[in-house]
Amino acid sequence: GAGVSQSPSNKVTEKGKDVELRCDPISGHTALYWYRQSLGQGLEFLIYFQGNSAPDKSGLPSDRFSAERTGGSVSTLTIQRTQQEDSAVYLCASSLETVGTANQPQHFGDGTRLSIL
Amino acid sequence: GQNIDQPTEMTATEGAIVQINCTYQTSGFNGLFWYQQHAGEAPTFLSYNVLDGLEEKGRFSSFLSRSKGYSYLLLKELQMKDSASYLCAVNDYKLSFGAGTTVTVRA
Repeated sequence: GAGVSQSPSNKVTEKGKDVELRCDPISGHTALYWYRQSLGQGLEFLIYFQGNSAPDKSGLPSDRFSAERTGGSVSTLTIQRTQQEDSAVYLCASSLETVGTANQPQHFGDGTRLSIL
Repeated sequence: GQNIDQPTEMTATEGAIVQINCTYQTSGFNGLFWYQQHAGEAPTFLSYNVLDGLEEKGRFSSFLSRSKGYSYLLLKELQMKDSASYLCAVNDYKLSFGAGTTVTVRA
């Protein structure tokens, strides 16, 4: 597609359940990023991928969070045993190259709004 | 660590000019981005500064002073559709975002 695609757009689940969020980046973009945005807050960096590898996982809030990327394209962010504080909008972005090595803007998807009951 | 500060809210009148300031203290620096985010929507790229000085793009301009750790976004000829949150983000192989400035444009 023309832009970054995320699914589902909305997810409501019960505390303790696992959830999987999907991101389909812009074709040809090698770098992919996950962020979290809580209500009224700025974007919180979670993890980024260069190709299929994740050089920086420092932003993942706990070991309940994991992410993978296959084929240098689609990425999934998995949250296990969800807690109410996980409720947020999860945004995915992609860029042509890793931002630190090239002046490439990140292009964002519309996000997944996750609500934990 | 990363420390990026911008005002929480600003209000201006349609047709006016507004300047949104951003100060930063970061462990690394490879440029600064400005994004616009309308409520419930994804952030969209506005501008990028890596060298000191002013970058102009139509009604929007962005300025950077690396020695002062300071940037601003200037919005001219404000329109109602410019009501949004404006995010300052420092480029250090990943983007570190400020909390955003909510700009409200009034008729």
